Amino acid sequence: DAKTTQPPSMDCAEGRAANLPCNHSTISGNEYVYWYRQIHSQGPQYIIHGLKNNETNEMASLIITEDRKSSTLILPHATLRDTAVYYCIVRFYTGTASKLTFGTGTRLQVTL
Amino acid sequence: GAVVSQHPSRVICKSGTSVKIECRSLDFQATTMFWYRQFPKKSLMLMATSNEGSKATYEQGVEKDKFLINHASLTLSTLTVTSAHPEDSSFYICSAKVHSGNTIYFGEGSWLTVV
Repeated sequence: DAKTTQPPSMDCAEGRAANLPCNHSTISGNEYVYWYRQIHSQGPQYIIHGLKNNETNEMASLIITEDRKSSTLILPHATLRDTAVYYCIVRFYTGTASKLTFGTGTRLQVTL
Repeated sequence: GAVVSQHPSRVICKSGTSVKIECRSLDFQATTMFWYRQFPKKSLMLMATSNEGSKATYEQGVEKDKFLINHASLTLSTLTVTSAHPEDSSFYICSAKVHSGNTIYFGEGSWLTVV
Protein backbone atom coordinates (compact mmCIF):
# COMPACT_ATOMS: atom_id res chain seq x y z
CA ASP A 1 0.00 0.00 0.00
CA ALA A 2 1.13 3.53 -0.70
CA LYS A 3 2.25 5.47 2.33
CA THR A 4 0.42 8.53 3.52
CA THR A 5 1.62 11.65 5.27
CA GLN A 6 -0.59 13.53 7.70
CA PRO A 7 0.10 16.36 10.15
CA PRO A 8 0.42 14.92 13.67
CA SER A 9 -2.13 17.26 15.20
CA MET A 10 -4.67 19.98 14.43
CA ASP A 11 -7.03 22.18 16.39
CA CYS A 12 -10.46 23.33 15.31
CA ALA A 13 -13.07 25.52 16.97
CA GLU A 14 -16.45 23.95 17.53
CA GLY A 15 -18.89 24.82 14.76
CA ARG A 16 -16.15 25.51 12.26
CA ALA A 17 -15.14 23.27 9.39
CA ALA A 18 -12.23 20.95 10.07
CA ASN A 19 -10.04 20.35 7.03
CA LEU A 20 -7.67 17.43 7.46
CA PRO A 21 -5.03 17.05 4.74
CA CYS A 22 -3.34 13.88 3.55
CA ASN A 23 -0.53 13.36 1.07
CA HIS A 24 -0.33 10.10 -0.86
CA SER A 25 2.01 10.95 -3.70
CA THR A 26 2.82 7.31 -4.55
CA ILE A 27 -0.77 6.15 -4.84
CA SER A 28 -1.44 3.77 -7.71
CA GLY A 29 -4.37 3.85 -10.07
CA ASN A 30 -6.10 0.94 -8.33
CA GLU A 31 -5.86 2.29 -4.81
CA TYR A 32 -8.69 4.00 -3.00
CA VAL A 33 -8.37 6.66 -0.31
CA TYR A 34 -10.07 5.68 2.95
CA TRP A 35 -10.60 7.74 6.08
CA TYR A 36 -11.20 6.31 9.54
CA ARG A 37 -11.19 7.92 12.94
CA GLN A 38 -10.50 6.54 16.38
CA ILE A 39 -11.97 8.07 19.46
CA HIS A 40 -10.01 7.29 22.59
CA SER A 41 -10.15 3.64 23.64
CA GLN A 42 -12.54 2.62 20.88
CA GLY A 43 -12.20 0.76 17.61
CA PRO A 44 -11.74 2.83 14.45
CA GLN A 45 -14.86 4.19 12.80
CA TYR A 46 -15.25 4.23 9.02
CA ILE A 47 -15.87 7.73 7.67
CA ILE A 48 -15.64 7.80 3.89
CA HIS A 49 -13.68 6.57 0.91
CA GLY A 50 -13.11 7.55 -2.71
CA LEU A 51 -11.14 6.84 -5.85
CA LYS A 52 -11.12 9.90 -8.09
CA ASN A 53 -14.25 11.91 -7.56
CA ASN A 54 -15.12 13.96 -4.53
CA GLU A 55 -17.41 12.14 -2.14
CA THR A 56 -19.86 13.29 0.50
CA ASN A 57 -21.88 11.45 3.10
CA GLU A 58 -23.64 12.31 6.34
CA MET A 59 -20.37 12.48 8.23
CA ALA A 60 -17.93 14.24 5.95
CA SER A 61 -16.73 15.24 2.51
CA LEU A 62 -13.66 13.90 0.76
CA ILE A 63 -11.85 16.06 -1.74
CA ILE A 64 -9.27 14.29 -3.91
CA THR A 65 -6.96 16.32 -6.13
CA GLU A 66 -7.02 15.68 -9.84
CA ASP A 67 -3.59 14.01 -9.78
CA ARG A 68 -4.75 11.95 -6.76
CA LYS A 69 -1.57 12.72 -4.88
CA SER A 70 -3.38 14.33 -1.99
CA SER A 71 -6.79 14.58 -0.40
CA THR A 72 -8.65 16.52 2.26
CA LEU A 73 -11.27 15.27 4.67
CA ILE A 74 -13.76 17.96 5.60
CA LEU A 75 -15.95 17.86 8.68
CA PRO A 76 -18.30 20.73 7.87
CA HIS A 77 -19.35 21.67 11.41
CA ALA A 78 -17.00 20.15 13.94
CA THR A 79 -18.29 19.30 17.40
CA LEU A 80 -16.50 18.26 20.56
CA ARG A 81 -17.44 14.66 19.77
CA ASP A 82 -15.31 14.84 16.63
CA THR A 83 -12.17 14.99 18.76
CA ALA A 84 -10.28 11.89 17.65
CA VAL A 85 -7.31 10.57 15.71
CA TYR A 86 -8.06 10.61 11.99
CA TYR A 87 -6.36 8.12 9.72
CA CYS A 88 -5.95 8.49 5.97
CA ILE A 89 -5.25 5.13 4.32
CA VAL A 90 -4.78 4.12 0.72
CA ARG A 91 -5.86 0.63 -0.07
CA PHE A 92 -6.51 -1.68 -2.96
CA TYR A 93 -10.22 -2.32 -3.32
CA THR A 94 -10.03 -6.07 -3.69
CA GLY A 95 -7.72 -9.00 -3.38
CA THR A 96 -5.17 -10.03 -0.84
CA ALA A 97 -3.64 -6.56 -0.77
CA SER A 98 -6.86 -4.97 0.42
CA LYS A 99 -5.86 -4.88 4.08
CA LEU A 100 -5.81 -1.57 5.92
CA THR A 101 -2.39 -0.39 7.08
CA PHE A 102 -2.56 2.42 9.60
CA GLY A 103 -0.08 5.27 9.83
CA THR A 104 0.21 7.68 12.72
CA GLY A 105 -2.82 9.79 11.78
CA THR A 106 -3.81 13.32 12.76
CA ARG A 107 -4.99 14.04 16.26
CA LEU A 108 -7.86 16.53 15.89
CA GLN A 109 -8.75 18.53 18.96
CA VAL A 110 -12.06 20.38 18.75
CA THR A 111 -12.31 23.20 21.27
CA LEU A 112 -15.04 25.50 22.52
CA GLY B 1 -22.72 1.02 9.00
CA ALA B 2 -22.24 -2.67 9.59
CA VAL B 3 -21.77 -3.86 13.16
CA VAL B 4 -18.78 -5.80 14.43
CA SER B 5 -18.83 -6.93 18.03
CA GLN B 6 -15.97 -8.10 20.22
CA HIS B 7 -16.10 -10.03 23.45
CA PRO B 8 -14.90 -9.57 26.08
CA SER B 9 -14.34 -5.83 26.09
CA ARG B 10 -11.94 -6.16 29.01
CA VAL B 11 -10.16 -9.17 30.41
CA ILE B 12 -7.53 -9.73 33.06
CA CYS B 13 -5.65 -12.99 33.09
CA LYS B 14 -2.75 -14.47 34.97
CA SER B 15 0.63 -14.82 33.36
CA GLY B 16 1.01 -18.20 31.67
CA THR B 17 -2.67 -18.72 30.96
CA SER B 18 -4.48 -18.42 27.64
CA VAL B 19 -7.27 -16.04 26.79
CA LYS B 20 -9.70 -16.04 23.89
CA ILE B 21 -11.20 -12.97 22.24
CA GLU B 22 -14.21 -13.30 19.94
CA CYS B 23 -15.05 -11.12 16.96
CA ARG B 24 -18.50 -11.34 15.40
CA SER B 25 -20.05 -9.64 12.42
CA LEU B 26 -23.61 -9.11 13.56
CA ASP B 27 -25.50 -8.15 10.43
CA PHE B 28 -23.34 -9.26 7.55
CA GLN B 29 -21.15 -12.09 6.36
CA ALA B 30 -17.44 -11.56 6.53
CA THR B 31 -15.18 -13.83 4.53
CA THR B 32 -12.17 -11.87 5.74
CA MET B 33 -11.42 -10.57 9.21
CA PHE B 34 -8.34 -8.75 10.45
CA TRP B 35 -6.75 -8.64 13.88
CA TYR B 36 -4.83 -5.63 15.16
CA ARG B 37 -2.96 -4.77 18.31
CA GLN B 38 -2.55 -1.27 19.66
CA PHE B 39 -0.26 -0.13 22.46
CA PRO B 40 -0.99 3.10 24.34
CA LYS B 41 -0.52 6.23 22.25
CA LYS B 42 0.53 4.14 19.26
CA SER B 43 -1.16 3.35 15.97
CA LEU B 44 -2.84 0.09 15.10
CA MET B 45 -0.55 -2.74 14.05
CA LEU B 46 -1.95 -5.46 11.84
CA MET B 47 -1.28 -8.88 13.30
CA ALA B 48 -3.00 -11.23 10.88
CA THR B 49 -5.61 -11.66 8.19
CA SER B 50 -8.19 -14.33 8.85
CA ASN B 51 -10.06 -15.99 5.99
CA GLU B 52 -13.08 -18.18 6.65
CA GLY B 53 -12.27 -21.84 6.34
CA SER B 54 -8.53 -21.41 5.83
CA LYS B 55 -5.41 -20.67 7.82
CA ALA B 56 -4.72 -17.12 8.86
CA THR B 57 -1.96 -15.11 7.25
CA TYR B 58 0.31 -13.54 9.86
CA GLU B 59 2.29 -10.34 9.49
CA GLN B 60 6.02 -10.47 9.80
CA GLY B 61 7.16 -10.73 13.40
CA VAL B 62 3.85 -12.06 14.75
CA GLU B 63 4.15 -15.52 16.30
CA LYS B 64 1.43 -17.72 14.88
CA ASP B 65 1.79 -20.28 17.69
CA LYS B 66 1.28 -17.60 20.31
CA PHE B 67 -1.61 -15.81 18.66
CA LEU B 68 -3.96 -18.53 17.43
CA ILE B 69 -6.63 -17.37 15.04
CA ASN B 70 -9.66 -19.36 14.06
CA HIS B 71 -12.25 -18.25 11.52
CA ALA B 72 -14.69 -21.13 11.46
CA SER B 73 -17.76 -19.32 10.18
CA LEU B 74 -18.69 -16.30 8.11
CA THR B 75 -19.61 -14.36 11.22
CA LEU B 76 -17.06 -15.40 13.83
CA SER B 77 -13.30 -15.19 14.23
CA THR B 78 -11.41 -15.83 17.45
CA LEU B 79 -7.98 -14.78 18.65
CA THR B 80 -6.40 -16.84 21.40
CA VAL B 81 -3.38 -15.44 23.17
CA THR B 82 -1.54 -18.48 24.49
CA SER B 83 0.78 -18.50 27.49
CA ALA B 84 0.14 -14.83 28.00
CA HIS B 85 2.79 -12.59 29.52
CA PRO B 86 2.60 -9.02 30.81
CA GLU B 87 4.11 -7.71 27.58
CA ASP B 88 1.05 -9.08 25.74
CA SER B 89 -1.10 -6.59 27.59
CA SER B 90 -2.62 -4.42 24.90
CA PHE B 91 -5.75 -3.29 23.09
CA TYR B 92 -6.77 -5.93 20.55
CA ILE B 93 -9.09 -4.88 17.74
CA CYS B 94 -10.74 -6.94 15.06
CA SER B 95 -12.24 -5.81 11.79
CA ALA B 96 -14.33 -7.47 9.14
CA LYS B 97 -14.64 -6.93 5.42
CA VAL B 98 -18.17 -6.95 4.11
CA HIS B 99 -18.52 -9.92 1.78
CA SER B 100 -20.84 -8.13 -0.60
CA GLY B 101 -18.71 -5.01 -0.62
CA ASN B 102 -15.22 -3.93 0.31
CA THR B 103 -15.52 -1.56 3.22
CA ILE B 104 -13.93 -2.77 6.44
CA TYR B 105 -15.66 -2.21 9.78
CA PHE B 106 -14.06 -2.44 13.20
CA GLY B 107 -15.09 -3.88 16.52
CA GLU B 108 -15.02 -1.95 19.76
CA GLY B 109 -11.74 -3.50 20.83
CA SER B 110 -10.72 -5.70 23.75
CA TRP B 111 -8.40 -4.62 26.52
CA LEU B 112 -6.16 -7.44 27.71
CA THR B 113 -4.23 -7.09 30.95
CA VAL B 114 -1.86 -9.87 31.92
CA VAL B 115 -0.83 -9.86 35.57
